[in-house]
Amino acid sequence: EAGVAQSPRYKIIEKRQSVAFWCNPISGHATLYWYQQILGQGPKLLIQFQNNGVVDDSQLPKDRFSAERLKGVDSTLKIQPAKLEDSAVYLCASSLGLATSNTGELFFGEGSRLTVL
Amino acid sequence: GENVEQHPSTLSVQEGDSAVIKCTYSDSASNYFPWYKQELGKGPQLIIDIRSNVGEKKDQRIAVTLNKTAKHFSLHITETQPEDSAVYFCAATPYSSASKIIFGSGTRLSIRP
Repeated sequence: EAGVAQSPRYKIIEKRQSVAFWCNPISGHATLYWYQQILGQGPKLLIQFQNNGVVDDSQLPKDRFSAERLKGVDSTLKIQPAKLEDSAVYLCASSLGLATSNTGELFFGEGSRLTVL
Repeated sequence: GENVEQHPSTLSVQEGDSAVIKCTYSDSASNYFPWYKQELGKGPQLIIDIRSNVGEKKDQRIAVTLNKTAKHFSLHITETQPEDSAVYFCAATPYSSASKIIFGSGTRLSIRP
């Protein structure tokens, strides 16, 4: 079974530039998450999708971050304009969705490491 | 909201010895407590989890204990091996709301040969 795919793996940009990350979840997983992981910290949820609808985006800095999940499969996360403090690893995760599963397991991709100079 | 404290932040043990990582949580509504292992350059991977109706759960060399009264839960790794070297994260959430899963800050475990 293929895992969660993310790209690019690494991205270096200057502040005020824009960047986009792409995620392809595990086939059949209804729920998709974007997490931000700053060096030395645990992952912090940015946004959760159930199919193509947003379940929780309370922690998403909406003045600069946006995310979409068209057709309930792939998702993109965009940052515009980037700030120095956005330097982090952006992790995408998927799960079956608690409505259909008795496990809350999240399956993470390898992440996209962003460096903002 | 939930707050999860994890310690120690770094832990070094001799190969073959045991390692213990401890976490506390603040929200009494939390009832699902997973542990994730993150190897260098990889995403976190679930290694074990426990629900609030269980006090202890074991899977080969790893075990997790939960004290709901004290709001503590711990990860125990016995007979440590080099491949156990990684960053470990505890987490807590009300099971009905996975979007509220809160991770601890992580413990970097190093196994000395």
